[in-house]
Amino acid sequence: ELKVEQNPLFLSMQEGKNYTIYCNYSTTSDRLYWYRQDPGKSLESLFVLLSNGAVKQEGRLMASLDTKARLSTLHITAAVHDLSATYFCAQDSNYQLIWGAGTKLIIKP
Amino acid sequence: NAGVTQTPKFQVLKTGQSMTLQCAQDMNHEYMSWYRQDPGMGLRLIHYSVGAGITDQGEVPNGYNVSRSTTEDFPLRLLSAAPSQTSVYFCASSWGAGGYTFGSGTRLTVV
Repeated sequence: ELKVEQNPLFLSMQEGKNYTIYCNYSTTSDRLYWYRQDPGKSLESLFVLLSNGAVKQEGRLMASLDTKARLSTLHITAAVHDLSATYFCAQDSNYQLIWGAGTKLIIKP
Repeated sequence: NAGVTQTPKFQVLKTGQSMTLQCAQDMNHEYMSWYRQDPGMGLRLIHYSVGAGITDQGEVPNGYNVSRSTTEDFPLRLLSAAPSQTSVYFCASSWGAGGYTFGSGTRLTVV
């Protein structure tokens, strides 16, 4: 069964702190995506990870991919309130996206 | 450049009614797909297409129909709406390894 597991599902943190969201996937497909969703909005692409060891950074967010461990991480550095949102990882299996349940991130001042 | 355009944004249907959710993209992407998002869950794939004239079922295809007569358009038809189809529907397109672009979504309520 194709499966993508994210944890934690809910995260409340203080501004200025660091944290990591984990995404485990079950298939051998190595295309992994991270998306952000604000309440009532669509999915915004954050990162596309295509190969083992891929690391991408955008502002306070950094994503990595370990295909041997079938694990991707989204690291948040020195969180700010504007990063409050729900974050999804999704694995691409023959152009069918398999989604994690999402991590709802709340960043408090 | 509009990207992926979905219409309507909101819709209320009565049980048993049928309707079509429209999706159009202007990026010449080969791959298009429909997902539904239910509260507290990730998206689930309904149907997808790898090119004009080619469609296939995803994880939750029952009660839905699709066709892909052109590269640009990928409509989703609800054959006989049921309350279980109350959800937010997203259309997405992709050219391959560059990721997926999503439409703004259609919020559907079936009463």
